Amino acid sequence: QQQVKQSPQSLIVQKGGISIINCAYENTAFDYFPWYQQFPGKGPALLIAIRPDVSEKKEGRFTISFNKSAKQFSLHIMDSQPGDSATYFCAATGANNLFFGTGTRLTVIP
Amino acid sequence: DAGVTQSPTHLIKTRGQHVTLRCSPISGHKSVSWYQQVLGQGPQFIFQYYEKEERGRGNFPDRFSARQFPNYSSELNVNALLLGDSALYLCASSFGYGTTYEQYFGPGTRLTVT
Repeated sequence: QQQVKQSPQSLIVQKGGISIINCAYENTAFDYFPWYQQFPGKGPALLIAIRPDVSEKKEGRFTISFNKSAKQFSLHIMDSQPGDSATYFCAATGANNLFFGTGTRLTVIP
Repeated sequence: DAGVTQSPTHLIKTRGQHVTLRCSPISGHKSVSWYQQVLGQGPQFIFQYYEKEERGRGNFPDRFSARQFPNYSSELNVNALLLGDSALYLCASSFGYGTTYEQYFGPGTRLTVT
């Protein structure tokens, strides 16, 4: 059973546009929600993370929005660039385990 | 500073064989976790080790085992390989274990079972 559900599976955005990736979870025991960026041939790299007592966190062009009551969180990439083209994974931690979503392949068109 | 390193980079094995994958954590990190990433999917947690003791185990069969050495490096062993074991195996290290510590991933070992 997928602990963290992620959508869309793929996303194509024009350069300068906003990329939005959504995730949902069921386990209210999760206590940390990171996002990872993965380029082909590389391991996932931590991008930004949020705790459930915070509704929004922004780091540069990347923003996480967190809705605890709806058990949903999303990643917004502002002013998307071709270099942002990668696979993005949301995740959730609990019980010393890190549960990943299924990934979103983002393509930013110049 | 060197990041998490893994060896080998690629590996081809035959069904029924055994494989050992190796991981060296970031200097100062005492926790190592292993993940399996099947093509097109997110990584799935296999094991976590901290201070040479197993601290967490995912839903994988007993054919999978691991250990951590005094220098905090780690090995993942898989016995009786199946075609379905073909995947990218990722190692991640962190200073401690538990949800408060961020994990840093290595580039992975691509295992192909034929």
